[in-house]
Amino acid sequence: DTEVTQTPKHLVMGMTNKKSLKCEQHMGHRAMYWYKQKAKKPPELMFVYSYEKLSINESVPSRFSPECPNSSLLNLHLHALQPEDSALYLCASNWGANTGELFFGEGSRLTVL
Amino acid sequence: GQNIDQPTEMTATEGAIVQINCTYQTSGFNGLFWYQQHAGEAPTFLSYNVLDGLEEKGRFSSFLSRSKGYSYLLLKELQMKDSASYLCAVSNAGNNRKLIWGLGTSLAVNP
Repeated sequence: DTEVTQTPKHLVMGMTNKKSLKCEQHMGHRAMYWYKQKAKKPPELMFVYSYEKLSINESVPSRFSPECPNSSLLNLHLHALQPEDSALYLCASNWGANTGELFFGEGSRLTVL
Repeated sequence: GQNIDQPTEMTATEGAIVQINCTYQTSGFNGLFWYQQHAGEAPTFLSYNVLDGLEEKGRFSSFLSRSKGYSYLLLKELQMKDSASYLCAVSNAGNNRKLIWGLGTSLAVNP
């Protein structure tokens, strides 16, 4: 299994809603990432988990809350988001934090109304 | 500061060869990656260079010169499906190692 699976593929939420994005990989990778990508821009790193521990938080607002329940799962909890948070949220994984190629999921397209 | 430069847009003809350049200035160097991203899809890995020279993989090749802070991605026998954004990313060095991404080159392949 060489896939990173993200759900949901599309999400529309209001600014007062609470929702979660989910990511799963079964490649035995020990590092997992959340990226945010706006149209015609490169991916922007948000969080890195290494061996299930948060190793990098790129000064992301607290309305985004990551969680790594185990080595195969990564969640991103969303609360009180703003319309400017609308973007494609990409999960990725690899063997070690910022080492080697990244395997990306297909992304979750988030729209905040 | 850390900076990666690549052309914003390029156009080429089906069957031709195109070279996408990338120059970088980073705090340390631990390898350079090229990713392909079709519109609305996730990036997919194309190549990785950490030593100087050319890496060939089918129709795609990538070159690195560390002394010049320069890389290129060479696409041969272009196909319509090669129309995509090509992202250059450099892994810097040190304890806080991370990927520094270029803004991407949007390649349009015309018939």
